[in-house]
Amino acid sequence: GAGVSQSPSNKVTEKGKDVELRCDPISGHTALYWYRQSLGQGLEFLIYFQGNSAPDKSGLPSDRFSAERTGGSVSTLTIQRTQQEDSAVYLCASSLAKDPGYEQYFGPGTRLTVT
Amino acid sequence: AQSVSQHNHHVILSEAASLELGCNYSYGGTVNLFWYVQYPGQHLQLLLKYFSGDPLVKGIKGFEAEFIKSKFSFNLRKPSVQWSDTAEYFCAVNRAGTYKYIFGTGTRLKVLA
Repeated sequence: GAGVSQSPSNKVTEKGKDVELRCDPISGHTALYWYRQSLGQGLEFLIYFQGNSAPDKSGLPSDRFSAERTGGSVSTLTIQRTQQEDSAVYLCASSLAKDPGYEQYFGPGTRLTVT
Repeated sequence: AQSVSQHNHHVILSEAASLELGCNYSYGGTVNLFWYVQYPGQHLQLLLKYFSGDPLVKGIKGFEAEFIKSKFSFNLRKPSVQWSDTAEYFCAVNRAGTYKYIFGTGTRLKVLA
């Protein structure tokens, strides 16, 4: 079956522009996670959705970052007024439920470059 | 703050050599532990996980990991590596009862044929 998909795969944007990153989770997966992977860094947890709600947004690096999920499916991560330090690979993962017993399935990521 | 340390950033081995990748975490409560692998050009995928019970867990492709609570460690091992094990390996910790996962910075393994 189809895995987690993300679009675009690559995005180059100018500093100060807004960008939207999309994640299509595996059908039926209620839990959805966003992570950021910067060069030489591990995966940084950004936000988690259970259904359409995000119980904890404290992982978002600043108020320029926001995320939403609609219909318990597609999620969008928006970065406003992008800065060079936002350059990273943004990964999305989904799982059947929030319990750790359910494996997280990762998408291919979106590589964001802010020039 | 919770953290996960992977001290080996780059490892180069010859085929058939034994592998051990270190992972230490800082949280003192009950944790769930994971190793993920990312092969070149592929997505991150789960290698193995520990929740409770036998501290020695076995995963796919002959990998195993041992949870040593007193050392806050969850090291990954494989007795004999293959060229196809060339990948980046990530250790991750989840505090039991929460949804947040803390990942290490990863270890790049290169296996020479």
